[in-house]
Amino acid sequence: GQQVMQIPQYQHVQEGEDFTTYCNSSTTLSNIQWYKQRPGGHPVFLIQLVKSGEVKKQKRLTFQFGEAKKNSSLHITATQTTDVGTYFCAGGGWDTDKLIFGTGTRLQVFP
Amino acid sequence: GAVVSQHPSRVICKSGTSVKIECRSLDFQATTMFWYRQFPKQSLMLMATSNEGSKATYEQGVEKDKFLINHASLTLSTLTVTSAHPEDSSFYICSARGAGFGNTIYFGEGSWLTVV
Repeated sequence: GQQVMQIPQYQHVQEGEDFTTYCNSSTTLSNIQWYKQRPGGHPVFLIQLVKSGEVKKQKRLTFQFGEAKKNSSLHITATQTTDVGTYFCAGGGWDTDKLIFGTGTRLQVFP
Repeated sequence: GAVVSQHPSRVICKSGTSVKIECRSLDFQATTMFWYRQFPKQSLMLMATSNEGSKATYEQGVEKDKFLINHASLTLSTLTVTSAHPEDSSFYICSARGAGFGNTIYFGEGSWLTVV
């Protein structure tokens, strides 16, 4: 079945450093979504990418969808302690409205 | 913005009993709802997709007779864990997608189930 992997699994950064998480799907996706889950919380929708090669920015966050629509990345510039949490990508298939979640990247930011 | 509410947020039940978790879309009609379970420090695993007025579609490996899903209205889906065992202890999260919101999916706050 479809698998969505993320790397790294876990990353510590010093506040102010940049952070990137990479998402790879075993199959081509119709769209990719990104979510943030704080410890003890539920996933919160961040963004959806649909077009091949699409790049979207939200303040310090930059999201990219690969040309082949099988991979994506989330880059955070100058991390802050409020960025702490687990970031999940979730891939949408072509013939289904299901989302398959990636394995997640847990970000820890030290002040 | 859209709000999806789950109840209860935490529940403890005895082994062998059944527990029901509700998922409500508060300000939109949800034609499709999804149920996930999440073990600590792991990803969300899709359990089933429920569509209003029809039977849920379960993912491979999910026992449909154990995890009963009912999507009786456009604003409510329920997950009943029957004959619960300690290994069913987990974080259960629902999400909902409404026709008016495109493909954006909104998550409930989740329900922590502990089976003792």
